[in-house]
Amino acid sequence: DADVTQTPRNRITKTGKRIMLECSQTKGHDRMYWYRQDPGLGLRLIYYSFDVKDINKGEISDGYSVSRQAQAKFSLSLESAIPNQTALYFCATSDFLRGGNEQFFGPGTRLTVL
Amino acid sequence: GDSVTQMEGPVTLSEEAFLTINCTYTATGYPSLFWYVQYPGEGLQLLLKATKADDKGSNKGFEATYRKETTSFHLEKGSVQVSDSAVYFCALSDSGYSTLTFGKGTMLLVSP
Repeated sequence: DADVTQTPRNRITKTGKRIMLECSQTKGHDRMYWYRQDPGLGLRLIYYSFDVKDINKGEISDGYSVSRQAQAKFSLSLESAIPNQTALYFCATSDFLRGGNEQFFGPGTRLTVL
Repeated sequence: GDSVTQMEGPVTLSEEAFLTINCTYTATGYPSLFWYVQYPGEGLQLLLKATKADDKGSNKGFEATYRKETTSFHLEKGSVQVSDSAVYFCALSDSGYSTLTFGKGTMLLVSP
């Protein structure tokens, strides 16, 4: 089984709909992150969480919200989706408490907003 | 703020050619540097990393050396294979290990 899983893998929705993307990890890592990837722009950080009670905005948090339900779960919500939120979304984890600074990525969720 | 600049692609090579993908960075303090690879339809995987000046990261025939004097971390491979076709991302982690800053990615296409 994959260490970092994302659901759904693909989603097509309409403008104005509320969408939740979910991320789960079995690695026991303390930190979790949400990125979006757009062609030619690389990865940009949306939100990150150092533990259940510590959530921080990233570079492009407007229009998004997150919830860290447990150490292993980190959800990203689009309250009212718009077409320019069409992108590939990645969740990642890192093991800061045990000295790790690299991040481990999930397989991604491809979101299309019509 | 921190930033990473890498060469634009696509880089198109024939199998067994030498590969260089340039990466330069701007950061305060002493960042750690990374190369990630993204194969088609997949998430990012760590390829190699270096945590201090003059360190060389290596993996699967790829190498990169942390050059503080030129603020660079260029990726090299002596002989590429078709299976190396992917998008490569250079990234840095600030000295507090809080977040990663990514370059825009460089697509590598290797033909037989």
